[in-house]
Amino acid sequence: KNEVEQSPQNLTAQEGEFITINCSYSVGISALHWLQQHPGGGIVSLFMLSSGKKKHGRLIATINIQEKHSSLHITASHPRDSAVYICAVRGGGGADGLTFGKGTHLIIQP
Amino acid sequence: KAGVTQTPRYLIKTRGQQVTLSCSPISGHRSVSWYQQTPGQGLQFLFEYFSETQRNKGNFPGRFSGRQFSNSRSEMNVSTLELGDSALYLCASSPGTGFWGQETQYFGPGTRLLVL
Repeated sequence: KNEVEQSPQNLTAQEGEFITINCSYSVGISALHWLQQHPGGGIVSLFMLSSGKKKHGRLIATINIQEKHSSLHITASHPRDSAVYICAVRGGGGADGLTFGKGTHLIIQP
Repeated sequence: KAGVTQTPRYLIKTRGQQVTLSCSPISGHRSVSWYQQTPGQGLQFLFEYFSETQRNKGNFPGRFSGRQFSNSRSEMNVSTLELGDSALYLCASSPGTGFWGQETQYFGPGTRLLVL
C-alpha cells in the first residue's frame, strides 16, 4: 500500500510570495495528481503527472520518479490561492484507486 | 458540457438506516470513482467503475456497495448506517479512453451525509 506524505501541513504566506508544497510516496506509481479543495468541499484537479513538469498559469508541478517525490509551486501567490492542496497517487498499472495525502492548508494573506 | 452532478447534496439519516447516493458523470465519460472524506481519515477511495464493471475497490466493509448503469450514471449504497459513516461522499468521472490510471478526474460537489 502506498504511503503519501505531504509537507508542510499548514502554510501561511504573504501575497506575492513563492509557495512550494511537497509530496513523497513510498511505492512506484502510474500517475500523481495535485488537487485543490476550497471551503465547502469542491475539489478541482490541478495537474495529473506521470513524469517531468507541467505548468498552468502561475502553477507549476514537477515529479521525480526515481526519488518518488513531487512538488507544487505557486508563483506570485494571491489570497484566492488560499485552499487545501492535496496530493494523490495511483498505483503502477492503474491498479488500486487513488491514495491521498492529508493535504496542505495554505493561507495567503493580503 | 455540464460537470459531474451528485444528488442529493445533503442528507440526514439515523443509525441502522440505509442510503443511496447518485452520481451523473460528465457526458461521454465512462469511468466513475467514489471517495469518502472525513476530518479524521481524510480522503479515501471507495470504488471505481468502468462500463458497468467494478474495476477497483477500496478497503471498506461490505456495507458499502455500488453499481454503474449503461448510461455511466453510478450509485453507491451504504446499508446499516453507523455514526462513523458521516462524511462527504465525492464522485469523480474520467473519459475512460486513455491509459488506465492516467486520466484527469473531474470531481462532483459531493453529498454531505450526517448519521445521527
